[in-house]
Amino acid sequence: ETGVTQSPTHLIKTRGQQVTLRCSSQSGHNTVSWYQQALGQGPQFIFQYYREEENGRGNFPPRFSGLQFPNYSSELNVNALELDDSALYLCASSLRDSKETQYFGPGTRLLVL
Amino acid sequence: DAKTTQPNSMESNEEEPVHLPCNHSTISGTDYIHWYRQLPSQGPEYVIHGLTSNVNNRMASLAIAEDRKSSTLILHRATLRDAAVYYCILESWGAQKLVFGQGTRLTINP
Repeated sequence: ETGVTQSPTHLIKTRGQQVTLRCSSQSGHNTVSWYQQALGQGPQFIFQYYREEENGRGNFPPRFSGLQFPNYSSELNVNALELDDSALYLCASSLRDSKETQYFGPGTRLLVL
Repeated sequence: DAKTTQPNSMESNEEEPVHLPCNHSTISGTDYIHWYRQLPSQGPEYVIHGLTSNVNNRMASLAIAEDRKSSTLILHRATLRDAAVYYCILESWGAQKLVFGQGTRLTINP
């Protein structure tokens, strides 16, 4: 059984740039959720994807967008980066409508300068 | 989103039991109680979850109060590797959206 993987592990961007983060879900899981974790804080829910469509969104602006592919992997895109977007971005996969919980990847640490 | 309250930090000694409390007085009937932990420089790791009855697994035990307004995560014999931030989270069945608070930072002394 393959766990959740994310790439890249670290990334440095400048303000105004765009970034794409990638996530491969755990084998057998069909739902992917993305979270943002600022330093010293708990993770905050960004959005969730199921069947290639957004299925729930937290309090994040439209410049945060995502995709889910037929193999259930996912991308998080952030446009017009701001300094406050510097954070650890976590991906979690799960099997919808099951009693299982979410399994998290190691995260991508993004630094915006 | 139903809210949980946890102490900011706790400290214990290696090989002793640890009881991590969580208050969730506004819990609804469909909310599951989840516990995750986050080790330094890692993503959150699932520990245990339950609805009404106490639960045990290889990592920990979860004791849920009869009125479900509080719960306690029990690590039976703490090791240095258990040092982490522990999050108590309520999740409505099917919502699959985890609302994290600040969690409890657990320090284990050798």
